[in-house]
Amino acid sequence: DTAVSQTPKYLVTQMGNDKSIKCEQNLGHDTMYWYKQDSKKFLKIMFSYNNKELIINETVPNRFSPKSPDKAHLNLHINSLELGDSAVYFCASSQAWRGKPGELFFGEGSRLTVL
Amino acid sequence: DAKTTQPPSMDCAEGRAANLPCNHSTISGNEYVYWYRQIHSQGPQYIIHGLKNNETNEMASLIITEDRKSSTLILPHATLRDTAVYYCIVRVNTNAGKSTFGDGTTLTVKP
Repeated sequence: DTAVSQTPKYLVTQMGNDKSIKCEQNLGHDTMYWYKQDSKKFLKIMFSYNNKELIINETVPNRFSPKSPDKAHLNLHINSLELGDSAVYFCASSQAWRGKPGELFFGEGSRLTVL
Repeated sequence: DAKTTQPPSMDCAEGRAANLPCNHSTISGNEYVYWYRQIHSQGPQYIIHGLKNNETNEMASLIITEDRKSSTLILPHATLRDTAVYYCIVRVNTNAGKSTFGDGTTLTVKP
C-alpha cells in the first residue's frame, strides 16, 4: 500500500495550458506539502497545509493554486503553464508527535514537461 | 528554519564507512536535525533525525556536536545502493516548519 501517492507520474503539455497534479496520503498525517525540484536538483518547498489550512506559502506565482479537500488530499493546480514550470513536483506528508516535527514521507514525484 | 551547508560531493569505497558532514551553525533550540536521501530522482527517503543526543537506527548513525552547530551522518558499511544525494535539514518541532532542503551531498560509493 503506497503511503503517499501522486498522479500522474508524467505530464507533458503545451505552454498556456492548465493542469492538475493530485496527491493522497493514507498515513493519517495532519500536514501535507508540495515541493518543486528543478533541473539543478534543488528541492524547494512551495506550500504546506495542516488540517486543510494553508500554513506555508512560499514565493510561488499565483498561477499555482493548491487545494486540500480533506486532510488526506492535497492537489496542485497550475494555470497558464510556462516553460519554467517544467520540473518534478513532490508531494509529502508528516505528523508532529510529542514535540517532534515528524519525518517527511514523500511521493514518487510527478514530472511535468512544458513544451 | 536554519540553513544547512554540506559538501557538494563525496566518494566512498564499498564496505567502508561513509561520513557525511553538515553545518547548521544557526540552529535554534527547538530545531531538530533530519537526514534524507534521494536515489536517482525518486522521492526523498527519511534516514534519521536527532535533537542533541547521538542517534542510531538500522540505516545509519547521527552524531551531533555538543554545541549543535554541526552533525555527521555515518553509514557504517556503504554499499553501491547507498549512492544517492544526501540532504541534511533542520526542522522546528511543529508541523509549521518549512523543511527547506539545501543542495545536499552527492555520495558515490565505488566498488
